[in-house]
Amino acid sequence: RKEVEQDPGPFNVPEGATVAFNCTYSNSASQSFFWYRQDCRKEPKLLMSVYSSGNEDGRFTAQLNRASQYISLLIRDSKLSDSATYLCVVRVWDNNDMRFGAGTRLTVKP
Amino acid sequence: NAGVTQTPKFQVLKTGQSMTLQCAQDMNHEYMSWYRQDPGMGLRLIHYSVGAGITDQGEVPNGYNVSRSTTEDFPLRLLSAAPSQTSVYFCASSYSTAGRNTGELFFGEGSRLTVL
Repeated sequence: RKEVEQDPGPFNVPEGATVAFNCTYSNSASQSFFWYRQDCRKEPKLLMSVYSSGNEDGRFTAQLNRASQYISLLIRDSKLSDSATYLCVVRVWDNNDMRFGAGTRLTVKP
Repeated sequence: NAGVTQTPKFQVLKTGQSMTLQCAQDMNHEYMSWYRQDPGMGLRLIHYSVGAGITDQGEVPNGYNVSRSTTEDFPLRLLSAAPSQTSVYFCASSYSTAGRNTGELFFGEGSRLTVL
């Protein structure tokens, strides 16, 4: 079993739609959580950190459920420019070992 | 701002050849790391460094060497290339606190390596 699992998608949604991705992690010692975004054939970039109480950044909302060991990312009012692969990242034992999921691909269509 | 610069962007090797992927950052980051990305898999940590003269192994270190003689540079050496090392390699750097990266990794544009 992979340490960080994501639905690979693709998710194909129309502009303006709300879409949610889930990510599950297997190591209960995981301490920190992040969502990264990776455009096609580009490098990953940090989208947002995920805090225990949940957090929002504009149209993006991240949630953490430690008991069930999953994190989620909600995107409201999808834009064409949101088309990308979203990577779930988990830090184990609060050190430098950051484990990446394989990513969920999102395509937003006109 | 240059950020993290990787060279070369593309490389084709024959099995058994050696090569070095270069990585340089101009953000004065103490933490630097190398990842590889393969289809259907997440990025996997190869080696990392928390400062000049300090390196450590990540999840998949076999077949790779690193050194960190300056804050700016963190080259990755493939000792004897194998087809299993065909991948996209990313260098990443970060600010750090007490030897731990902040979680915000700044990636280079990637180096696509094919081993025949």
